[in-house]
Amino acid sequence: GAVVSQHPSRVICKSGTSVKIECRSLDFQATTMFWYRQFPKQSLMLMATSNEGSKATYEQGVEKDKFLINHASLTLSTLTVTSAHPEDSSFYICSARGQGSPLHFGNGTRLTVT
Amino acid sequence: AQTVTQSQPEMSVQEAETVTLSCTYDTSESDYYLFWYKQPPSRQMILVIRQEAYKQQNATENRFSVNFQKAAKSFSLKISDSQLGDAAMYFCAYRVPNTGNQFYFGTGTSLTVIP
Repeated sequence: GAVVSQHPSRVICKSGTSVKIECRSLDFQATTMFWYRQFPKQSLMLMATSNEGSKATYEQGVEKDKFLINHASLTLSTLTVTSAHPEDSSFYICSARGQGSPLHFGNGTRLTVT
Repeated sequence: AQTVTQSQPEMSVQEAETVTLSCTYDTSESDYYLFWYKQPPSRQMILVIRQEAYKQQNATENRFSVNFQKAAKSFSLKISDSQLGDAAMYFCAYRVPNTGNQFYFGTGTSLTVIP
């Protein structure tokens, strides 16, 4: 079946640096990708929706300059956390769906900012 | 605004028994989809079951079934013959087609299966 690959699964970075997380659809064309953030024992909070070839739509309260999303192709979307701070430490999950297809989730990325 | 409410933060069930997880939602739409996702400790989101709002028949997937009450805006998940592998966080989710395809998730229910 369709698979979404998210990389890396874990990353530790120093405060002030930037981190890029990749989300790839392996056997379908992902016209829409979503990025979520999940705090411990809490639900998934939608950060932004990205459509291939256009600018991402950010949810209220999400800083677009801090969380840069690029969806340059039908199989790849990236989330870059710029100038990371310890409060950005969280679990980030991407999901993707193609035309008429169900939503598939990546395995998530555990980001720790020291 | 669409909201999804799961009123049970934690539930437990004896192995081989049946448990029901509740979910209610708020919407003014008539056409939408409802889902239950399972998130085990690995954090991978796994689709358990989905229901189209226009279908009156409750969805069933092996040991998992739903009780969809459209008028009451209720969408509960029943797990029969519970197994140890069913232990996970369960999220109820809602989606309206053709409106950005955004999913709205409930706050989750942590299910413990007691051997």
